[in-house]
Amino acid sequence: GAGVSQTPSNKVTEKGKYVELRCDPISGHTALYWYRQSLGQGPEFLIYFQGTGAADDSGLPNDRFFAVRPEGSVSTLKIQRTERGDSAVYLCASSLLAPDTQYFGPGTRLTVL
Amino acid sequence: AQSVTQPDIHITVSEGASLELRCNYSYGATPYLFWYVQSPGQGLQLLLKYFSGDTLVQGIKGFEAEFKRSQSSFNLRKPSVHWSDAAEYFCAVVNTNAGKSTFGDGTTLTVKP
Repeated sequence: GAGVSQTPSNKVTEKGKYVELRCDPISGHTALYWYRQSLGQGPEFLIYFQGTGAADDSGLPNDRFFAVRPEGSVSTLKIQRTERGDSAVYLCASSLLAPDTQYFGPGTRLTVL
Repeated sequence: AQSVTQPDIHITVSEGASLELRCNYSYGATPYLFWYVQSPGQGLQLLLKYFSGDTLVQGIKGFEAEFKRSQSSFNLRKPSVHWSDAAEYFCAVVNTNAGKSTFGDGTTLTVKP
């Protein structure tokens, strides 16, 4: 079956702009996670959804970052007033339940110029 | 707070040699533990996981890992490395209440011919 998909695969933007990153989880998976991976580091947790609600958003770095999952499936990570330090690969994962094995998407590489 | 340490940033082994990648974790209860592999430009692929039961777990591609509670370790092993195993390897601990994963910073494996 289809795995986790993320769009776009690459996003280049200018400092101060707004961006949206999309994640399509595996069908039927109730839990969805966002992570951020900077060069030379492991993925860093951002936010976790159980169904439509954010169960844990303790990893969001500041209020410029926001994520939604309105229908309990697709999720969008939104970043306002982007900064060069936001440049990273943003990974999405989903699992059937939580906690359980998380399946990762290929990531979106965000570059802020 | 949960944490993961991968002491070896970079390891080089000869093809056909054995491999052990170290992982130490910190978690307040019995953890869920994972090993992932990431090839350049690729997403994270699950190698194996430990939830409970037998402390020696088998994974894909001939990998295995042993959970040692007394040492807070979950080291990854392979008896004979193939050139295609060259990649970055990440150990992760999952919060058993919510599924939030904490990753180590990874170990880069280089395989010499």
